[in-house]
Amino acid sequence: KAGVTQTPRYLIKTRGQQVTLSCSPISGHRSVSWYQQTPGQGLQFLFEYFSETQRNKGNFPGRFSGRQFSNSRSEMNVSTLELGDSALYLCASSAGALQETQYFGPGTRLLVL
Amino acid sequence: SQQGEEDPQALSIQEGENATMNCSYKTSINNLQWYRQNSGRGLVHLILIRSNEREKHSGRLRVTLDTSKKSSSLLITASRAADTASYFCATGPSYNQGGKLIFGQGTELSVKP
Repeated sequence: KAGVTQTPRYLIKTRGQQVTLSCSPISGHRSVSWYQQTPGQGLQFLFEYFSETQRNKGNFPGRFSGRQFSNSRSEMNVSTLELGDSALYLCASSAGALQETQYFGPGTRLLVL
Repeated sequence: SQQGEEDPQALSIQEGENATMNCSYKTSINNLQWYRQNSGRGLVHLILIRSNEREKHSGRLRVTLDTSKKSSSLLITASRAADTASYFCATGPSYNQGGKLIFGQGTELSVKP
């Protein structure tokens, strides 16, 4: 099976702009989670989607939003970008059951200037 | 928020030596996972250990879990230069937090040829 794919891999934006990142899970996986990784804060959970419903949300401002489509693909959006949003954004997928391993994509590296 | 701490933060060894990394966490868990990350790329899943398991092996990897001490360790035997990476423990998924993973801050392992 193909792994988790994320597009784009690299992105440069300026403050105030918005950005949309995409994640395609492993075929058959229904759960998609998003994480932000920065040198200062490490890996932080953003949100989790399962069957198009947000199942869990991390402690991030409302500028961070996401959605999941009927084919399990997911997007996350960050509006009004700030310099501190520069990070590696990682997507993970799992079959959905609570005992399942989560598999990560290669990430999207976002640089906000 | 970080679930716990990893120790040491950095570890440098010679090829052929064993590497041990420790992870402590704060709350009760259902599962604990170990991941590897090479140079800011995606996370590679290594092992998932459930709360009712005490030890698990996968190739040169051995993971132990002590729920009474809220700690886990990852042992890499006969290390190779290719093992150079950052290693993260993560608690989750869990019944009360769904698929959310809470990561430690990681251990940077350097294996010198």
